[in-house]
Amino acid sequence: EPEVTQTPSHQVTQMGQEVILRCVPISNHLYFYWYRQILGQKVEFLVSFYNNEISEKSEIFDDQFSVERPDGSNFTLKIRSTKLEDSAMYFCASSQTSNGPNTGELFFGEGSRLTVL
Amino acid sequence: GQNIDQPTEMTATEGAIVQINCTYQTSGFNGLFWYQQHAGEAPTFLSYNVLDGLEEKGRFSSFLSRSKGYSYLLLKELQMKDSASYLCAVREGDSWGKLQFGAGTQVVVTP
Repeated sequence: EPEVTQTPSHQVTQMGQEVILRCVPISNHLYFYWYRQILGQKVEFLVSFYNNEISEKSEIFDDQFSVERPDGSNFTLKIRSTKLEDSAMYFCASSQTSNGPNTGELFFGEGSRLTVL
Repeated sequence: GQNIDQPTEMTATEGAIVQINCTYQTSGFNGLFWYQQHAGEAPTFLSYNVLDGLEEKGRFSSFLSRSKGYSYLLLKELQMKDSASYLCAVREGDSWGKLQFGAGTQVVVTP
């Protein structure tokens, strides 16, 4: 069964360092997303991406965050200067459609746990 | 904005039935999802409702009442592997894939 894959599974970094989290969405999917989940809290939307541009972002997704699809398969989340409060599990997700006759269900990757010291 | 409420925890015995309620307040409702999340793992899709009524999928069913802003997930014939957090998530308007998640209901299945 096709799946969303993410690397690394766990990254530890010092405050102020740049971090890049990588994702390979399901191959025929067109819509890509990043969500995060701080330990013990809700899953929160960060950003959606379609047709090589951001389609929507939350207030969490400030200037420190950026996303990119550098080639036909990868989708990355960059945090320029990490803060302690960026420590969380970051989930990449993809969907085949946004809506319409399909559910537009999101398929999530296993997550990348980021720990900022 | 949205407000999504679901109970924090529920306990049930193996073989039993559990119903997890979710209430929401939103403008431009465009679908409600239920996801299952085992500790430290990714959420996995269980069900989707956009029209009123019951959707059945094996041991899991989900119900929606849009006028009441209410949904439930029904888990039948509980198995130990069903111990997990169950997340109610609402999609609003034309937001592509922007789901607002509830805090999740931790279901504990006991022998």
